[in-house]
Amino acid sequence: DTGVSQDPRHKITKRGQNVTFRCDPISEHNRLYWYRQTLGQGPEFLTYFQNEAQLEKSRLLSDRFSAERPKGSFSTLEIQRTEQGDSAMYLCASVWGGLNYEQYFGPGTRLTVT
Amino acid sequence: DQQVKQNSPSLSVQEGRISILNCDYTNSMFDYFLWYKKYPAEGPTFLISISSIKDKNEDGRFTVFLNKSAKHLSLHIVPSQPGDSAVYFCAASEAAGNKLTFGGGTRVLVKP
Repeated sequence: DTGVSQDPRHKITKRGQNVTFRCDPISEHNRLYWYRQTLGQGPEFLTYFQNEAQLEKSRLLSDRFSAERPKGSFSTLEIQRTEQGDSAMYLCASVWGGLNYEQYFGPGTRLTVT
Repeated sequence: DQQVKQNSPSLSVQEGRISILNCDYTNSMFDYFLWYKKYPAEGPTFLISISSIKDKNEDGRFTVFLNKSAKHLSLHIVPSQPGDSAVYFCAASEAAGNKLTFGGGTRVLVKP
């Protein structure tokens, strides 16, 4: 069990550029979650997958955001036309859905939009 | 609409003393509560949890208490150690595998 990994750990981009983040969950976990954390706040739910199906999206997820989990393993989160308000820590977590509550988090990707 | 609230943004305690962190929630559908610990530049790590059918769960120096009628839970750390200095998040879930709803966090500083 190598834990949840995320890549890159840090990303600095200019406003208007597109960025893509990757998350590799714990291999036996069927549910994968994306959260966003801004300074001084707790993580907020963005979206989740059960296997390859995206089952829920938060109102926080504007149409500039898209996420995929094509083979039910790793996931990508893309932000198009980034804005300064997108600057945050993007966290990925995985869990064996239907059985466990404890989600295991990756180290996060810190996005800075200049 | 904040469904989970941690009203104390920070807490300072002397090494060896007790740290008490509080959390309030409003959603009656929550049936499981978790505490996560977060160091800078790392993701949250699971600490301890409690089901809504229990009122206490203990794991070593960490104890979580749940008062369902008051929609309140607390985390006790005894004795506090300098390595406990971190941000602690309270989280809640409506069912196994469901999304977690987090509070805003409490920053704990344990002074040697």
